[in-house]
Amino acid sequence: DTAVSQTPKYLVTQMGNDKSIKCEQNLGHDTMYWYKQDSKKFLKIMFSYNNKELIINETVPNRFSPKSPDKAHLNLHINSLELGDSAVYFCASSQGTGRSYEQYFGPGTRLTVT
Amino acid sequence: AQSVAQPEDQVNVAEGNPLTVKCTYSVSGNPYLFWYVQYPNRGLQFLLKYITGDNLVKGSYGFEAEFNKSQTSFHLKKPSALVSDSALYFCAVRVGSGGSYIPTFGRGTSLIVHP
Repeated sequence: DTAVSQTPKYLVTQMGNDKSIKCEQNLGHDTMYWYKQDSKKFLKIMFSYNNKELIINETVPNRFSPKSPDKAHLNLHINSLELGDSAVYFCASSQGTGRSYEQYFGPGTRLTVT
Repeated sequence: AQSVAQPEDQVNVAEGNPLTVKCTYSVSGNPYLFWYVQYPNRGLQFLLKYITGDNLVKGSYGFEAEFNKSQTSFHLKKPSALVSDSALYFCAVRVGSGGSYIPTFGRGTSLIVHP
């Protein structure tokens, strides 16, 4: 059973389009995250939700909007895609928001904007 | 600023030799430190963490890490490297206060194990 899953795995689209990435975890965790990994493999947190509430919102453009319909799902919608949005996006989850909790990552979604 | 640093972009080691991937931290209070591994075209996988207790922490796939408070380091080690250990390794810490701790990752170290 896949613990953290994301769809789609690959996403190729043109500038200006709107797209969504879905994430689901079956670990029973109450905290979920979105990360962006750039071409140099640098990993940056974008958002975090705890029990469907937004708790971390790093300096991310308003074009990015996360949505958590329930504790097991955290989707990412991106409006008006730009070339600079090309990256690998990872979803992750953890048991809680405390300092000691490790995270479990999905396989990633490679977004290419042309 | 609270953070972790990985001073080496790449580490090369021969199969069968011991390996070390370095991480230093700058954290106020007690540090809670993590190591993750990322194989090509995969998500990160949790290897091990230090919370309190023994300075030597054992994790998955034969990896261990040594916490050194005086040197503010948390180096990842393995006694005998395998070619299949070749991957990208990230050191991480969660920084913040109250109920919200933001995960912060080092820039990653590419480990290459030569046959």
